[in-house]
Amino acid sequence: ELKVEQNPLFLSMQEGKNYTIYCNYSTTSDRLYWYRQDPGKSLESLFVLLSNGAVKQEGRLMASLDTKARLSTLHITAAVHDLSATYFCAVDRPSVGDDKIIFGKGTRLHILP
Amino acid sequence: DTGVSQNPRHKITKRGQNVTFRCDPISEHNRLYWYRQTLGQGPEFLTYFQNEAQLEKSRLLSDRFSAERPKGSFSTLEIQRTEQGDSAMYLCASSIRTGGTGELFFGEGSRLTVL
Repeated sequence: ELKVEQNPLFLSMQEGKNYTIYCNYSTTSDRLYWYRQDPGKSLESLFVLLSNGAVKQEGRLMASLDTKARLSTLHITAAVHDLSATYFCAVDRPSVGDDKIIFGKGTRLHILP
Repeated sequence: DTGVSQNPRHKITKRGQNVTFRCDPISEHNRLYWYRQTLGQGPEFLTYFQNEAQLEKSRLLSDRFSAERPKGSFSTLEIQRTEQGDSAMYLCASSIRTGGTGELFFGEGSRLTVL
């Protein structure tokens, strides 16, 4: 059964600092997704990582994928308050006919001014 | 196209009643997913469709839950004989199957409160 684990589950950090959120998954997967959710809102897609070594960046966020380690990271550079949200990673395995996308529990990020 | 649309946005019901939620996906998307999310948790997979075919239903899902996508466009999720444990946000998402990355586009969700 495909499982996704994120850590930390909660992170409080100061503006201007750097930090990394980790996402581990239990079996070989084809695609890894990162989503953002603001309180009371739905999920917004941030990144889709399709291959080993993939790296994508948008503003202060950078996501990477290591399929051999079954690990993705979401790195935050010089955090700002607007990045406060819950971040989810998710995976699927269409190459083995498994298209359901499984989510982790999320990392709740709180950035202090 | 304004994105994935869900209604009602909020539903309060008494235990034992039936409820139905509707999802209208992005028009060119042939995949449609239902998830359930409770406070502080990630979205939990319920079921998904490719066009009108239901491809998988979570084995954790009670028989009280049923979903349809009769013409491959909108979908409905029905919960029969609701229980307090059914209180959650029900999220619908759609994606393109062929030629796409699998990226899900979510609706705003339907929040269910069972009294």
